[in-house]
Amino acid sequence: DAKTTQPPSMDCAEGRAANLPCNHSTISGNEYVYWYRQIHSQGPQYIIHGLKNNETNEMASLIITEDRKSSTLILPHATLRDTAVYYCIRDTGNQFYFGTGTSLTVIP
Amino acid sequence: DAGVTQSPTHLIKTRGQQVTLRCSPISGHKSVSWYQQVLGQGPQFIFQYYEKEERGRGNFPDRFSARQFPNYSSELNVNALLLGDSALYLCASSPLREETQYFGPGTRLLVL
Repeated sequence: DAKTTQPPSMDCAEGRAANLPCNHSTISGNEYVYWYRQIHSQGPQYIIHGLKNNETNEMASLIITEDRKSSTLILPHATLRDTAVYYCIRDTGNQFYFGTGTSLTVIP
Repeated sequence: DAGVTQSPTHLIKTRGQQVTLRCSPISGHKSVSWYQQVLGQGPQFIFQYYEKEERGRGNFPDRFSARQFPNYSSELNVNALLLGDSALYLCASSPLREETQYFGPGTRLLVL
């Protein structure tokens, strides 16, 4: 989805927080933001989602700006197993629009 | 609980042939979506089915078709295969239409 952009790659030291940004400046008011990750071309794995408020679960935190034009996925303590491609997604209700994806490498 | 299952896991076809891919959703899930992921790119939406009816369609040619059965399993059919159809085909299910989708492992199709 050309409207959802992410940096192509990022590195993070093991044990540190990984902050993955996403720009979705044209998102509509009723479209959710989802984050998934994909390891070695397996099926994408659900991480977290939100509409307007910040969200936290056992895997990650999601920070959505007040104008909803961007969001940040935070992995609080990255491990080597978090190395993957992370996708930011706009959900229109019946269709996921995947962003460009960020390849995160966690370095020992 | 079993996750989304897809069959076959790998498939090799030649140009012009037809292929059918199968997906079984998580038990209790009524919505199934199909995605195509070309190597090096993010998944692209193909279809969504809910309660056996097509609810959404992406920008794919009519060579692509799908259906959903009474048990909510689904098939994706691609006719007149082209080299560019080589991709990982992903199926995802959700309880209802507008809920979190859970993806299967995918079927890797190679068209020679």
